[in-house]
Parts: sequence; structure tokens; C-alpha cells
Amino acid sequence: DAGITQSPRHKVTETGTPVTLRCHQTENHRYMYWYRQDPGHGLRLIHYSYGVKDTDKGEVSDGYSVSRSKTEDFLLTLESATSSQTSVYFCAINHAGTSGSSYNEQFFGPGTRLTVL
Amino acid sequence: GQQLNQSPQSMFIQEGEDVSMNCTSSSIFNTWLWYKQDPGEGPVLLIALYKAGELTSNGRLTAQFGITRKDSFLNISASIPSDVGIYFCAGLKGAQKLVFGQGTRLTINP
Repeated sequence: DAGITQSPRHKVTETGTPVTLRCHQTENHRYMYWYRQDPGHGLRLIHYSYGVKDTDKGEVSDGYSVSRSKTEDFLLTLESATSSQTSVYFCAINHAGTSGSSYNEQFFGPGTRLTVL
Repeated sequence: GQQLNQSPQSMFIQEGEDVSMNCTSSSIFNTWLWYKQDPGEGPVLLIALYKAGELTSNGRLTAQFGITRKDSFLNISASIPSDVGIYFCAGLKGAQKLVFGQGTRLTINP
């Protein structure tokens, strides 16, 4: 158990509405990530964070923004949801830089299933 | 975007059989990770590989980091029903950006 929770676990929303997904971790990890998972594409990186207020874009960042004001929380926002953003969203953390670990092993949360109608 | 080619996409085997799957890329990676995902859950890390040529085992699972650094293999010996799921390879290049394969769906007939 990597101490990661995601909320909400399921959400249905309408096109054009803003949506915020929350990832919460309890182990003070520096690195946090947001991925989306779609059939035939595996997992694709949206954004990641390497510290409070430090974020960078991933492979599929268009239409998404992130914020990290506290170590434990990483928020993913869809400013105006579209049907193409219907997906399962996973948060992940990395043990690198924590407790002397230098290994780049990412551990995933349980996921949020988002449906945009 | 950059992708890993994972094969096969699906496997249907009998309980007790051995399983092999692989991942290839046109790019070099410095870390290979293998994950398993059960329905409705997040991926779970099975094995991490850090050196070219490295062979690592975790119980009945064995994975290898290809010598060219462009591929990796996962083997499961003597499959059991709880091995059912989707297996993903992932490669790390440089910084923090993991690239995932499309997954191998494993189905086991008892």
C-alpha cells in the first residue's frame, strides 16, 4: 500500500463543466503524477510534480492543469470537460528522493473513473 | 508520442503453463518496470530492472532488461488463476516520464 487515495472514485459530468480530481498521499513523497488510461493506449502521463508548486507537462497535457500547494495533495483540473476526456485517471507517487531511496519506482492509486456526457 | 510495443496483446492459456511476454522500443531506456493490473484497480509494481542484461525474479516471475536497453521480457512460470489480469511494461528515460506499453491481457483456463 503506497498510501495514495484518490477522490472522487467515480464521477459523471457534462461537457463544458469544470472538474477537479484530488490525489492525496500520506508518506511525504516528492514526486507525484497524473495518468489517464484508455483502451489500446495503456497509461499516458498528463502532468507530474517534483515538489510543492513545481510541475511539468507530460505526453497528453492539453486541456488539463494541475496544482500542488501542499506536499500531500496533487490536484488535476479539467477547466471545461470534453467527451474525449472520459477516461480512468490514476495518480502515482515515486519513492525516489524519499528516505534515501534513489530508485525510480512509481506506485499507483486506485483510480478515478470520469465520464463526460 | 513515444510508445512501447508490447506483445502479445492477449494470451489464453491453461493453468500450470508458463507465460512469456515482451516489450520493445526504438528508444533506449535506463529503467524497465513491469506492472499487473486487476479490474477496477490501479497497476501494481511487480519487478523493476535497472541494468542492461539484468535478470530479476520475484517468486514465479522473472524479468530481464535487454542488453540493447531497447527491450524487456517477463516470464511467469506454472501459472495459477490469480495470475489473470493485464500486464504492462513501462520504460523510463532520463527524468520522471514513464512510457507504458499497451498491455498484455492474460486469461487462464482452469
